[in-house]
Amino acid sequence: DAMVIQNPRYQVTQFGKPVTLSCSQTLNHNVMYWYQQKSSQAPKLLFHYYDKDFNNEADTPDNFQSRRPNTSFCFLDILSPWLGDAAMYLCATSRETGTGAEKLFFGSGTQLSVL
Amino acid sequence: GQNIDQPTEMTATEGAIVQINCTYQTSGFNGLFWYQQHAGEAPTFLSYNVLDGLEEKGRFSSFLSRSKGYSYLLLKELQMKDSASYLCAVIGGTYKYIFGTGTRLKVLA
Repeated sequence: DAMVIQNPRYQVTQFGKPVTLSCSQTLNHNVMYWYQQKSSQAPKLLFHYYDKDFNNEADTPDNFQSRRPNTSFCFLDILSPWLGDAAMYLCATSRETGTGAEKLFFGSGTQLSVL
Repeated sequence: GQNIDQPTEMTATEGAIVQINCTYQTSGFNGLFWYQQHAGEAPTFLSYNVLDGLEEKGRFSSFLSRSKGYSYLLLKELQMKDSASYLCAVIGGTYKYIFGTGTRLKVLA
């Protein structure tokens, strides 16, 4: 089945130690997104790619960066994690139709803990 | 500013009907989605409205009034597995999905 896959499911890192979260998709969707979701809060968009075009949200901290080497893969790099970065990180994709309004397909998420 | 409001929590009984409301204020509007999210899992798509009116899909229906900035999700014949958070999301601009904080629904036996 076509899907969005995130690895790992749970990630533990240390304060200040860089960490990379990965996402892959078999849907061949143009658009890929990274969301941060803290407990009982709304998912917050960090950035999205339209093909290789990178779009950063204005309030996304510089501590968060992303790479999309090809259509299938996208990475979230947290350069110097702090306790406040502990959250669920959701990768999502959507199929571009010209309307910018297609449903999102989510991966199962990576729960990040910072010690 | 951009704002989406939903009730924080609702409780209903198995077999009953529940309506979850969502009001929004966004600078643009390209459609409204409802997603279901079980604890610790990713959101899954339930419905999409871009025109006014009711969209029905099995036990779930979603309604939109663009002039009022209002939507609701109606769940019929509630089952225990419907206990989850329900997220309202508005597309305010191209690829700009704005999520509400979600409504946590508890279904009691």
